[in-house]
Amino acid sequence: SQKIEQNSEALNIQEGKTATLTCNYTNYSPAYLQWYRQDPGRGPVFLLLIRENEKEKRKERLKVTFDTTLKQSLFHITASQPADSATYLCARAAPSPGQNFVFGPGTRLSVLP
Amino acid sequence: DGGITQSPKYLFRKEGQNVTLSCEQNLNHDAMYWYRQDPGQGLRLIYYSQIVNDFQKGDIAEGYSVSREKKESFPLTVTSAQKNPTAFYLCASSMGLAGTDEQYFGPGTRLTVT
Repeated sequence: SQKIEQNSEALNIQEGKTATLTCNYTNYSPAYLQWYRQDPGRGPVFLLLIRENEKEKRKERLKVTFDTTLKQSLFHITASQPADSATYLCARAAPSPGQNFVFGPGTRLSVLP
Repeated sequence: DGGITQSPKYLFRKEGQNVTLSCEQNLNHDAMYWYRQDPGQGLRLIYYSQIVNDFQKGDIAEGYSVSREKKESFPLTVTSAQKNPTAFYLCASSMGLAGTDEQYFGPGTRLTVT
């Protein structure tokens, strides 16, 4: 079955450091991966999308990479701040209509002051 | 303000009762979705709709039903056949079903069935 894995349930880092979150997929090659942020008790918010032919995508302090050989996407937050503390979800976006979005379980990031 | 709303935020029901969760969007999006989220698990797709009067089952549709009579509305009914209905329910919408279409989520409804 098509599956998205995020290898850390929780990650604690010190303020100012770079947080790196991992998303792995199996049994298929998604054309797109999306990353979302979810705060407790709220709906996820879209952050970034990366296509399979893009090695890297940046947005302010965020960077996403996509390695189709390793079947992995890495999500980096540089100069992390306590306000970055949240759960981050990786999602395989439907490459064609009728194919479902598949979300990973998420990684709960805590940035310690 | 454009957005997606869900009501109520908290819902309590007795076992054996059907309950309907509301989802409305004013983003003029064609596609709408319902997800369920349980602690420690990712979002699981219940139903989605690409267009008015059409909807498709997701991965965990058993015990749920939906309708899409209007573009802006996609209510979810949790029936008594759903064996474990207590969960956090999220509604989302997107322009379409393309892989590049980001999903906009509502604030969620936390359903507790006792």
